[in-house]
Amino acid sequence: GAVVSQHPSRVICKSGTSVKIECRSLDFQATTMFWYRQFPKQSLMLMATSNEGSKATYEQGVEKDKFLINHASLTLSTLTVTSAHPEDSSFYICSATLSVGLPDTQYFGPGTRLTVL
Amino acid sequence: RKEVEQDPGPFNVPEGATVAFNCTYSNSASQSFFWYRQDCRKEPKLLMSVYSSGNEDGRFTAQLNRASQYISLLIRDSKLSDSATYLCVLTGNQFYFGTGTSLTVIP
Repeated sequence: GAVVSQHPSRVICKSGTSVKIECRSLDFQATTMFWYRQFPKQSLMLMATSNEGSKATYEQGVEKDKFLINHASLTLSTLTVTSAHPEDSSFYICSATLSVGLPDTQYFGPGTRLTVL
Repeated sequence: RKEVEQDPGPFNVPEGATVAFNCTYSNSASQSFFWYRQDCRKEPKLLMSVYSSGNEDGRFTAQLNRASQYISLLIRDSKLSDSATYLCVLTGNQFYFGTGTSLTVIP
């Protein structure tokens, strides 16, 4: 099956620093990648949709200047949390859809747990 | 109104029981439907797609009712390992996630 990796799996940083999270589709080309955030005991919340070679589409309430998304290739998207604060501490999950075959199916990365001190 | 409504539970059932979850949606133009399973502190994993004709995978049966705009998931002969949160997902203009239904199977 399609495999999506994320790196790092866990990061702890000081308030005010920036953190970059990578999302890679390992064995397929992804038309679209999605970035989600999940707080404890809550559902996934879509942050942005990322298409290769174009600007990401952000959901309402998500600051595009704070959560920078770069989708440089069909297999890599990055999310940079700039000037992180404790309230940004969350579980960040990316997902990807296939370029061909079943484009509606999302394959999720294992997630990145961010803790901002 | 939310795009997707799902009973959060929790559902606590004994091993061997049959349990069913429903998920209602508001957009009749929704195109594809899925059930995902999410274990604690892990990413969602695709459990099965949902078709109007219904589909079955072992102990799991998924059904789509377009007229009433809901999807269902039935788990038969529950195992301890079925304990997880089950998310319904549908696509229209974008992906829409339910809030998840928590299931705990008790020995």
